[in-house]
Amino acid sequence: GAGVSQTPSNKVTEKGKYVELRCDPISGHTALYWYRQSLGQGPEFLIYFQGTGAADDSGLPNDRFFAVRPEGSVSTLKIQRTERGDSAVYLCASSLGTSGSQGEQFFGPGTRLTVL
Amino acid sequence: QKEVEQDPGPLSVPEGAIVSLNCTYSNSAFQYFMWYRQYSRKGPELLMYTYSSGNKEDGRFTAQVDKSSKYISLFIRDSQPSDSATYLCAMTRDTGFQKLVFGTGTRLLVSP
Repeated sequence: GAGVSQTPSNKVTEKGKYVELRCDPISGHTALYWYRQSLGQGPEFLIYFQGTGAADDSGLPNDRFFAVRPEGSVSTLKIQRTERGDSAVYLCASSLGTSGSQGEQFFGPGTRLTVL
Repeated sequence: QKEVEQDPGPLSVPEGAIVSLNCTYSNSAFQYFMWYRQYSRKGPELLMYTYSSGNKEDGRFTAQVDKSSKYISLFIRDSQPSDSATYLCAMTRDTGFQKLVFGTGTRLLVSP
């Protein structure tokens, strides 16, 4: 079956603009995660959804960042008033459940965001 | 200081060598330890995970966790050029690996 897909694969925007990044998880996966990976760094946790609700949003850096998952499947990460420091690869992952081996996170290829 | 420290490399080895990759961490609450492989422009892919201290083997890969030293390792035997990638350690205090904390990743280059 298909893996996690993310669109767009690349996004170039200007400072101050608004962007939306989309994630389609593996079908049937109830949990969805967003991470941000800056150049030369490991992924940093942003937010985790269990179903439609954000179970942990402690990694969102500030109130310019917001994510939704209205129907418990597709998720959108929204960034307002983008800054050059937001440039990074935004990774989405999903898992079947949240306990034991069902918690294994499968990652998508990421969206490379460049803020000019 | 970061919660998880990992040498970024690059680590260059000839084909067939045994590779040792390591991470140290500071948070004693971490219980689950993982190794991910990430090819260029791809998402991370889970290789191994272990719970608490001990060893786990899977084919050419062996993961070791020493919680008393807060030190984890991944060994790759008979390394192949296709193993060339960035290897990320990750850990979490929760069951189901919910909120992963990653190291910076070590770039491995295996030359034929």
